[in-house]
Amino acid sequence: EVQLVQSGAEVKRSGESLTISCKGSGYSFSTYWISWVRQMPGKGLEWMGRIDPADSFDNYNPSFEGHVTISVDRSIDTVYLQWSGLKASDTATYYCARVDDRAGNHPFDYWGQGTQVTVSS
Amino acid sequence: SFVLTQPPSVSVAPGQTARISCEGENIGSRSVHWYHRKPGQAPVLVVYDDSVRPSGIPERFSASNSGNTATLTITSVDVGDEANYFCQLWDGSSDHHWVFGGGTDLTVL
Repeated sequence: EVQLVQSGAEVKRSGESLTISCKGSGYSFSTYWISWVRQMPGKGLEWMGRIDPADSFDNYNPSFEGHVTISVDRSIDTVYLQWSGLKASDTATYYCARVDDRAGNHPFDYWGQGTQVTVSS
Repeated sequence: SFVLTQPPSVSVAPGQTARISCEGENIGSRSVHWYHRKPGQAPVLVVYDDSVRPSGIPERFSASNSGNTATLTITSVDVGDEANYFCQLWDGSSDHHWVFGGGTDLTVL
């Protein structure tokens, strides 16, 4: 069974750093890209960026580039989303999702359960 | 970047048919994916590439896409279908590679 299991909820202060994780299982981890998606309170979903675990190639939505970093540790089938200086506006639920790039239009065929991040000013 | 617009909410009676729209300029020229998300659960892909159901998704879920509107249709709705439904497409021509609709809350009255 394919699963993406995310790390637990976090409560941080503005300016602090944070790394959350997404561990894949039940499939060949390096075969599928992983994307990160943000949902701010009461808002819709926003694609943040994605990484190819096979070669660590990443790219970002320009709205997030420079503020977050996506990385991978293939030895433990885990992708990370990292902030070096959190802002209160980073308060949101963050989802990781597997990208099915075998389908030409890249749907997200499996999702993690979400990680709630709360940042206080 | 591409903008996808969904109604905030749709309500239907049990046993009836729910239709959830996703509007975008010439969206019919793109391939649209649909998901649902129930409180406390991970989102689930219910239709991809306009009209293809993944394994395990009931035939009650179908979708179409033409002109400026993509539509997800759920027949014989029951309370278990209550969820937030959102559309998505891949826009490889822009930096915003994946675009999401704002989501629609389906309520079964």
